[in-house]
Amino acid sequence: AQSVAQPEDQVNVAEGNPLTVKCTYSVSGNPYLFWYVQYPNRGLQFLLKYITGDNLVKGSYGFEAEFNKSQTSFHLKKPSALVSDSALYFCAVRKSNAGNMLTFGGGTRLMVKP
Amino acid sequence: DTGVSQDPRHKITKRGQNVTFRCDPISEHNRLYWYRQTLGQGPEFLTYFQNEAQLEKSRLLSDRFSAERPKGSFSTLEIQRTEQGDSAMYLCASSPPGWGAEAFFGQGTRLTVV
Repeated sequence: AQSVAQPEDQVNVAEGNPLTVKCTYSVSGNPYLFWYVQYPNRGLQFLLKYITGDNLVKGSYGFEAEFNKSQTSFHLKKPSALVSDSALYFCAVRKSNAGNMLTFGGGTRLMVKP
Repeated sequence: DTGVSQDPRHKITKRGQNVTFRCDPISEHNRLYWYRQTLGQGPEFLTYFQNEAQLEKSRLLSDRFSAERPKGSFSTLEIQRTEQGDSAMYLCASSPPGWGAEAFFGQGTRLTVV
């Protein structure tokens, strides 16, 4: 079975400060890892993914994430938060080269205050 | 790029009634997924199609749920004899071929069973 944990229900950060949204996963074999963002009344929007290669992946809107195999983590980061980054963020995992089911974490609400 | 389209956006139905939702994926995507999302939770996988073949079904997909993708293009999800516990956002996603391809989500259909 595969699972994702997002330990923080909410992260608060001031505009201009760096932000981190945490994600840990459990999957047998090599993982494919994804981050999605959900704005109110909108569908999930893809931010970035780790498939293979460089552990630091860059995505949309200045976001990046670091894959850490030993800690089974895939934390989302941004050097300087914007108020418009306020949204619900979901981490997801899939077993590489097997199956198609994405397993999502429970989500983390990011609040960026001016 | 018209994105993934879902219809209707909102559906209110009485308990015991049948409902059907439609999803139109991105045209060149051969993979289609249905997920369910309840308030405060991450999306949960329901089922997966590759072209017209339904290849994976979650245990969440009870006998009252059926999904089809008859020509490998649009898909429908039907819920028979709706229950209050079926109230949720139903999300459709599609992706192109390739294990590492990310899924693109529609805006969802919000079902309320009264």
